Amino acid sequence: DGGITQSPKYLFRKEGQNVTLSCEQNLNHDAMYWYRQDPGQGLRLIYYSQIVNDFQKGDIAEGYSVSREKKESFPLTVTSAQKNPTAFYLCASSIGGTGQEQFFGPGTRLTVL
Amino acid sequence: RKEVEQDPGPFNVPEGATVAFNCTYSNSASQSFFWYRQDCRKEPKLLMSVYSSGNEDGRFTAQLNRASQYISLLIRDSKLSDSATYLCVVGQNFVFGPGTRLSVLP
Repeated sequence: DGGITQSPKYLFRKEGQNVTLSCEQNLNHDAMYWYRQDPGQGLRLIYYSQIVNDFQKGDIAEGYSVSREKKESFPLTVTSAQKNPTAFYLCASSIGGTGQEQFFGPGTRLTVL
Repeated sequence: RKEVEQDPGPFNVPEGATVAFNCTYSNSASQSFFWYRQDCRKEPKLLMSVYSSGNEDGRFTAQLNRASQYISLLIRDSKLSDSATYLCVVGQNFVFGPGTRLSVLP
């Protein structure tokens, strides 16, 4: 089955620690995205990548970092510099770049204790 | 003015009712429009794209009004399973609205 997987589903971390969220897709999509969703709010774009070894900041990139070494994988690191990291993190991919339909993974719910 | 706006609701409607949501956008040059559905604590799932001529998929109809800069989603004969948050997405930069919550009541 083709799709997008994210792991883990739930993640707890202590304040001051970095944590990496996994996102893998086997849809052969070129573009991948990371969003953050806070309770009762819409999605906000953190980072996106339209091609391997290239990525751009979204609206709220501060405190986050990404890499795109393989087409299938786009991990997100939440660093200790992110002031309010507790949120629902969603990874998505699309066939091409801008304006194309995006397909989402199941999300990772991060809680900072 | 925010880039994409939606009435947050909740819209509480009885089963079988017809309900419509609007989504307004500020960038008149926007070319891509979508409706997504998001169930509680789940990921958004594509419901339908919105084409200039409007489009229909079963009980769901999407319309685009460029002059007034809004898109709409009409749901006919509401089912309990339609209860969810409906997110509109606008433009090449895929900007999400905050979502409209729908509860269909028995």
